[in-house]
Amino acid sequence: NAGVTQTPKFQVLKTGQSMTLQCAQDMNHNSMYWYRQDPGMGLRLIYYSASEGTTDKGEVPNGYNVSRLNKREFSLRLESAAPSQTSVYFCASKRIEGPEQYFGPGTRLTVT
Amino acid sequence: SQELEQSPQSLIVQEGKNLTINCTSSKTLYGLYWYKQKYGEGLIFLMMLQKGGEEKSHEKITAKLDEKKQQSSLHITASQPSHAGIYLCGAARKYNTDKLIFGTGTRLQVFP
Repeated sequence: NAGVTQTPKFQVLKTGQSMTLQCAQDMNHNSMYWYRQDPGMGLRLIYYSASEGTTDKGEVPNGYNVSRLNKREFSLRLESAAPSQTSVYFCASKRIEGPEQYFGPGTRLTVT
Repeated sequence: SQELEQSPQSLIVQEGKNLTINCTSSKTLYGLYWYKQKYGEGLIFLMMLQKGGEEKSHEKITAKLDEKKQQSSLHITASQPSHAGIYLCGAARKYNTDKLIFGTGTRLQVFP
């Protein structure tokens, strides 16, 4: 099992460009999450999907959109990137039973 | 200000020493989670506490929950270089929710 995979690992964008961060899990988990991690701010939830076909906003959803394509995949889209979106983005998944969220390795995004 | 305050923000200890990290919530807790993050990697689940007075252990790491004080402590006994990393506490703000709020983390370095 690969667990939770994220692509790309690194990305540099110019202000106004768009891109999609990809996340996939092979553990048959129902719930999936997108977080961003910034120095001094900790880890903050952007969007959450409890199951295929459903999504819900987290603490900091502005400037992002998500798609739960199927049970395995949950993508995060930046339509018009801003320097404030420079961050490390983590995807996570969780099965219905049990408290543990399984995290991917992260995508380091810089917006210039 | 942060809903979850962690202290200290960073800690440098000599191998073999004991240490404690604290996590204090400004709001009611419905579950307190501890995760560890190695530098440049995703988070790894350590344990979850739900009931006041609850105590759990994972290898040489013990966590306790003081529900009245809305506080949890993470204690590492006889620290090793493998314990180095960032420790984050997370909290559920509603009953039976998977959406978590995280603290800003405590960076631990262990030197020989």
